Amino acid sequence: RKEVEQDPGPFNVPEGATVAFNCTYSNSASQSFFWYRQDCRKEPKLLMSVYSSGNEDGRFTAQLNRASQYISLLIRDSKLSDSATYLCVAGYNKLIFGAGTRLAVHP
Amino acid sequence: DTGVSQNPRHKITKRGQNVTFRCDPISEHNRLYWYRQTLGQGPEFLTYFQNEAQLEKSRLLSDRFSAERPKGSFSTLEIQRTEQGDSAMYLCASSSTGTGGQETQYFGPGTRLLVL
Repeated sequence: RKEVEQDPGPFNVPEGATVAFNCTYSNSASQSFFWYRQDCRKEPKLLMSVYSSGNEDGRFTAQLNRASQYISLLIRDSKLSDSATYLCVAGYNKLIFGAGTRLAVHP
Repeated sequence: DTGVSQNPRHKITKRGQNVTFRCDPISEHNRLYWYRQTLGQGPEFLTYFQNEAQLEKSRLLSDRFSAERPKGSFSTLEIQRTEQGDSAMYLCASSSTGTGGQETQYFGPGTRLLVL
């Protein structure tokens, strides 16, 4: 079983749609949680940190449930430029990445 | 550009050759991480340094792999006697401890290795 598991997708959605990604992590000692975005053949870039209280950054909302070891990302009003792979991350010092969820936003 | 830099960006080598990659972290960052990423997977942790001390190594890091950060600034990752299975993107990231909140790692552009 992978330490961080997420649905690989792809999620194909029209512009303006709301899309939700979920992931689970197995190491209860994890202390840091993030969503990274990765474009094809590029390095991962931090999208947002994830906190138990939930946090929002514009169209993006992230949520952490420590009890069920579950992390989510909600994207509202999808844009074409949101097309990418979204990597769920849990860790303590070293980061453990999921394999990524691919999102394709079409006109 | 004050981000993480990596050199070379691409490397093609023949099986059995040695290769060395370099990473220059963000200047004020005391932690430096190496990850490896293969197609369709997320990055996998290899090792990390705090200043010049190597604090953790993954079991993925076989005896053919060695990493150094001699002066606590740039780091090198060497792979000896390369194998075709070493073909991957090698990513370096850096971060700063003691800033409060979650420690954020910033990634370099990676070195893409192809072993023929």
